[in-house]
Amino acid sequence: KAGVTQTPRYLIKTRGQQVTLSCSPISGHRSVSWYQQTPGQGLQFLFEYFSETQRNKGNFPGRFSGRQFSNSRSEMNVSTLELGDSALYLCASSVPGTGETDTQYFGPGTRLTVL
Amino acid sequence: KQEVTQIPAALSVPEGENLVLNCSFTDSAIYNLQWFRQDPGKGLTSLLLIQSSQREQTSGRLNASLDKSSGRSTLYIAASQPGDSATYLCAVRSTGNQFYFGTGTSLTVIP
Repeated sequence: KAGVTQTPRYLIKTRGQQVTLSCSPISGHRSVSWYQQTPGQGLQFLFEYFSETQRNKGNFPGRFSGRQFSNSRSEMNVSTLELGDSALYLCASSVPGTGETDTQYFGPGTRLTVL
Repeated sequence: KQEVTQIPAALSVPEGENLVLNCSFTDSAIYNLQWFRQDPGKGLTSLLLIQSSQREQTSGRLNASLDKSSGRSTLYIAASQPGDSATYLCAVRSTGNQFYFGTGTSLTVIP
């Protein structure tokens, strides 16, 4: 079974631009979560999508948004990029049950650099 | 707000040693706790998931325990190998369905 895939793997953007990252979950997984990882803040939860609906949201500004399609693929968008948005963006998929058994499987990440 | 802490931040041990990594969390209202490893520049690999109703889980040389009432989990690695060198992260899923990660323990196993 193929794992979680993320595209692109690397991105370089300039301040003020916007960016869209893509995540394809493991086949049969309907939940996709997004995370930002930086050396200073560690791994922080952005949001979770399930059945095309945002189920949970972390504490990030509205410049960070996402969506999920009917095939469970998800995209994350960051508008008006700032230098501090430079990070590794990870997505994870799971087969959501009650919450107790939801093992998360991570993709390799997209490394975003904002200049 | 849930806070997850991992101690120590870094650990260096000789090959063959048994070791324990610690994870503590402030709010016991969790669905589960998951341990991951992360190799440099890579994504996370799931190691073990412990449900809130469980006390421990085992996989090969790894054993993870959970004491929800005290807000603690430990990851025990037996007979460490150089290939175990990585950063180990714990994460809790709160009953509000948010995920909180610890800052990780960087493990180096010296041949």
